[in-house]
Amino acid sequence: EVQLVESGGGLVQPGGSLRLSCAASRFTFSSYEMNWVRQAPGKGLEWVSYISRTGSSMKYADSVKGRFTISRDNAKNSLHLQMNSLRAEDTAVYYCARVITTLGHYFDYWGQGTLVTVSS
Amino acid sequence: QSVLTQPPSVSAAPGQKVTISCSGSSSNIANNYVSWYQQLPGTAPKLLIYDNNKRPSGIPDRFSGSKSGTSATLGITGLQTGDEADYYCGTWDSSLSAVFGGGTKLTVL
Repeated sequence: EVQLVESGGGLVQPGGSLRLSCAASRFTFSSYEMNWVRQAPGKGLEWVSYISRTGSSMKYADSVKGRFTISRDNAKNSLHLQMNSLRAEDTAVYYCARVITTLGHYFDYWGQGTLVTVSS
Repeated sequence: QSVLTQPPSVSAAPGQKVTISCSGSSSNIANNYVSWYQQLPGTAPKLLIYDNNKRPSGIPDRFSGSKSGTSATLGITGLQTGDEADYYCGTWDSSLSAVFGGGTKLTVL
């Protein structure tokens, strides 16, 4: 079955940086669009960023635009999220999720998540 | 504040039926397909319904979805204690960004 495994989370001070990774396996990674979705403690889901199959197109939520950068390495089946100028409100579990497009778009597989805590 | 509006909680007895609503607008639900996700405690979200009313392989037909105008509804029949979870609706907006509801906590009494 499809596997998505996030890593790179941890404790970081406000203003700091962190790079998340998502290792994909058991599917043809380069054939799928990918996203990052986060969930603050006790809160709902918030979409963070999208990247196209080739990595040529990216989108960001307004809350992270200019601070976060999504990228992918299709040769290594990996997705990344570079997070700079981190704020307390960025504290959340970050999930990588695969996008499927049929009639609509939806997230058919999610990783287990990696926790990012921004605190001094 | 989530883009899509869901009730914070719903509850029903085992074996009963429950519905969860998801309200949006002309810039999201009205012109896009809706998906639903189940998040069991301490786990990642799991796809439950896609394209408004389709179930992925392995999802029992106790779960159903519908959409009308700017709203969508998730229905669960024959409630089981294992259905206790948070449920989220999702779709895409006019700028092709994903949006979610705030989530609904289902309690099976």
